[in-house]
Amino acid sequence: EPEVTQTPSHQVTQMGQEVILRCVPISNHLYFYWYRQILGQKVEFLVSFYNNEISEKSEIFDDQFSVERPDGSNFTLKIRSTKLEDSAMYFCASSAPGLASYNEQFFGPGTRLTVL
Amino acid sequence: AQSVTQPDIHITVSEGASLELRCNYSYGATPYLFWYVQSPGQGLQLLLKYFSGDTLVQGIKGFEAEFKRSQSSFNLRKPSVHWSDAAEYFCAVGAGGSYIPTFGRGTSLIVHP
Repeated sequence: EPEVTQTPSHQVTQMGQEVILRCVPISNHLYFYWYRQILGQKVEFLVSFYNNEISEKSEIFDDQFSVERPDGSNFTLKIRSTKLEDSAMYFCASSAPGLASYNEQFFGPGTRLTVL
Repeated sequence: AQSVTQPDIHITVSEGASLELRCNYSYGATPYLFWYVQSPGQGLQLLLKYFSGDTLVQGIKGFEAEFKRSQSSFNLRKPSVHWSDAAEYFCAVGAGGSYIPTFGRGTSLIVHP
């Protein structure tokens, strides 16, 4: 069964460093998403991406964040200068193309980012 | 904006017992409602969803949920819990033209043998 994969499973970094979280969505999916979950808190939407551009983003997704689909398979989230409060579990998700109907988002297992 | 409340942070049940996880939402119109499950080390998996029609929704793994508009609730139920159901459960609401779900904080289900 196809699945979304994420690497690494755990990333530890120093405050101020740049990190890139990687995701491989399901191959025929065209919509891609990043969410994060700070420990003990809700899963929060960060950004959605379609047709090589951001389609929607939350207020959390500020200038420190960027997303990219550098090739036909990877979808990345970059944090330029990490802060302590960026420590969280980051989930990637993808969904198939669709028109009016909702298309289920398939989630990856997450990357736990720890900023020291 | 829509919001979701899951009032129970932890729920402990014995294997074979029935289960009900509570979810209340806030949204002015008819929402899209979801339940996701996250097993340790796994991603979020969709258990079931409600968009319209029959207010009792059947999902995978023997779960069901009932949409009650008068109570703004979408509680998840299972008649007999298995040890493998131990996981984190998230209720989510989507609204309007956006299919981006807003998640609750989750309920951790502990199953005793």
